Amino acid sequence: DQQVKQNSPSLSVQEGRISILNCDYTNSMFDYFLWYKKYPAEGPTFLISISSIKDKNEDGRFTVFLNKSAKHLSLHIVPSQPGDSAVYFCAATSPGNQFYFGTGTSLTVIP
Amino acid sequence: NAGVTQTPKFQVLKTGQSMTLQCAQDMNHEYMSWYRQDPGMGLRLIHYSVGAGITDQGEVPNGYNVSRSTTEDFPLRLLSAAPSQTSVYFCASSYGQPLPLHFGNGTRLTVT
Repeated sequence: DQQVKQNSPSLSVQEGRISILNCDYTNSMFDYFLWYKKYPAEGPTFLISISSIKDKNEDGRFTVFLNKSAKHLSLHIVPSQPGDSAVYFCAATSPGNQFYFGTGTSLTVIP
Repeated sequence: NAGVTQTPKFQVLKTGQSMTLQCAQDMNHEYMSWYRQDPGMGLRLIHYSVGAGITDQGEVPNGYNVSRSTTEDFPLRLLSAAPSQTSVYFCASSYGQPLPLHFGNGTRLTVT
């Protein structure tokens, strides 16, 4: 049973526009959430995280939003660049527990 | 600084063969783990270790063994390969949970 879900397998966005990637989770005990970015033939790399005590965290062009009541988080990339084209995984965990990953969303930024 | 190094990059096995996927990290991380990535399934945890001499099962441990004799190395053993183990395998490490994981570049395994 998938505890972390990314319902959009793919997303295409024009360069310079906003990319919004979504993630839903089912376990209310999750208290730490991360986004990873993965290029082909490479391992995932950590992008940004958020703790459940916050509802927003920014790092440059990347912002993660957390809506605990809806069990939903999103990653905003503004402005999108061609180099952002990759697969994005969200992940969640609770204290003393493993990370649960979503199935990934493939983002294509069109020049 | 090499980070997390996985070998081999590619491997083809016949059903029933055994092999070991190697993973080494040079960041002095206590926590190490193995994931498999399958289409439509995301990354699923196979086994993990919170320090030398300590290992535990993850979400999908059947058919795999691990050991952690040193902080640096965390090999994954397939005892008798099956086609269902065809996947991309990632090793990852961190200073501890829930700190972000550092991943290797993966091993693509095909079992025929």
